[in-house]
Amino acid sequence: GAGVSQSPSNKVTEKGKDVELRCDPISGHTALYWYRQSLGQGLEFLIYFQGNSAPDKSGLPSDRFSAERTGGSVSTLTIQRTQQEDSAVYLCASSFRETLGGIYGYTFGSGTRLTVV
Amino acid sequence: QQQVKQSPQSLIVQKGGISIINCAYENTAFDYFPWYQQFPGKGPALLIAIRPDVSEKKEGRFTISFNKSAKQFSLHIMDSQPGDSATYFCAASGRDTGRRALTFGSGTRLQVQP
Repeated sequence: GAGVSQSPSNKVTEKGKDVELRCDPISGHTALYWYRQSLGQGLEFLIYFQGNSAPDKSGLPSDRFSAERTGGSVSTLTIQRTQQEDSAVYLCASSFRETLGGIYGYTFGSGTRLTVV
Repeated sequence: QQQVKQSPQSLIVQKGGISIINCAYENTAFDYFPWYQQFPGKGPALLIAIRPDVSEKKEGRFTISFNKSAKQFSLHIMDSQPGDSATYFCAASGRDTGRRALTFGSGTRLQVQP
């Protein structure tokens, strides 16, 4: 597609439920990132996928968070047993693979606003 | 080592004025410094970026100034317009992060008054 597509755009869930957030990156982009943006805050790195390499999960805040990327394209971020502190906007970004000069700018999706009640 | 500190948290500028947002970093391995602009309800969008081999980069009304020795960089918005009202994030990345993920500043909310 022309841009990074995320769905749903908004999600309200009850505490303790599991949620799945989807990201469809730009075609041809091999790098995919998930970030979390809490209200009025900066962007917190969660996880990184690059091609067929093992993902970098170092930013995941707890084992309730997991993500996968199927076929090197679509990614799903799953949050199990959601808590109120998980409420945030979850942003996905994709980029061309790293070059010798370093990675180029991300293209972000519009995010999924997750509210845990 | 990975932190990027951004200031001010918020900024109000009159139309036609100059908006200046500053960032500082600690990790000397950072070699890519982008700025992102975010409007409400949208994801951040790349505005302008610089590498440490130059001290300044200009694109239209937007200029990045980079001071490698001080480990600081700033965004200048000339002739600020109401349409520039948004949240601005500085960021940095470097080869030693492995994943090449960006480390973001905490953001500056800019309001340009007509």
